[in-house]
Amino acid sequence: DGGITQSPKYLFRKEGQNVTLSCEQNLNHDAMYWYRQDPGQGLRLIYYSQIVNDFQKGDIAEGYSVSREKKESFPLTVTSAQKNPTAFYLCASKGLADSSYNEQFFGPGTRLTVL
Amino acid sequence: QQQVKQSPQSLIVQKGGISIINCAYENTAFDYFPWYQQFPGKGPALLIAIRPDVSEKKEGRFTISFNKSAKQFSLHIMDSQPGDSATYFCAASIRGFNKFYFGSGTKLNVKP
Repeated sequence: DGGITQSPKYLFRKEGQNVTLSCEQNLNHDAMYWYRQDPGQGLRLIYYSQIVNDFQKGDIAEGYSVSREKKESFPLTVTSAQKNPTAFYLCASKGLADSSYNEQFFGPGTRLTVL
Repeated sequence: QQQVKQSPQSLIVQKGGISIINCAYENTAFDYFPWYQQFPGKGPALLIAIRPDVSEKKEGRFTISFNKSAKQFSLHIMDSQPGDSATYFCAASIRGFNKFYFGSGTKLNVKP
């Protein structure tokens, strides 16, 4: 089955720790995204990548880092510099080439809680 | 500055009624307007999308109405069902660019 997988589903972090959230897609999509969702709020873009080894900051990149070493993988690291990391994190992907298909596909999400 | 404004924040509708969620945008370069449905604890899923060359698109009980001059678009859910209870997000993007702008979401509760 094609799709986006995120792991883990739940993650607990102690203050001062860095944690890495995994996102893998087998849709052969070029673009990948990380969003943060807080209760009752919309999706805020953290980082996105349009091609391997390239990525751009979104609206709330401070305290986060990403890498894009493989087309299918876009891990997100939540660093200790992120002061309020408790949230639901969503990974998404989109094909680039076909302009008639602008659909963005989302993964199931990772819920991060700071203890 | 919020690129896409969504209202209402929450909505309660009786079973069989019509649910209406509205979005407004500023950037006239936007040319793709999707609506996403999200159930608690899950990722959003594309529900229906429209391009500005048409004023309406219907898929089953879900209809998007698009008003280019007013820079507004809305989602209508006909014959709303309890299973439609979810959070709905509108979004906008530009063909050839890969950044999406999301509304703040509407939590719909359909009462049986």
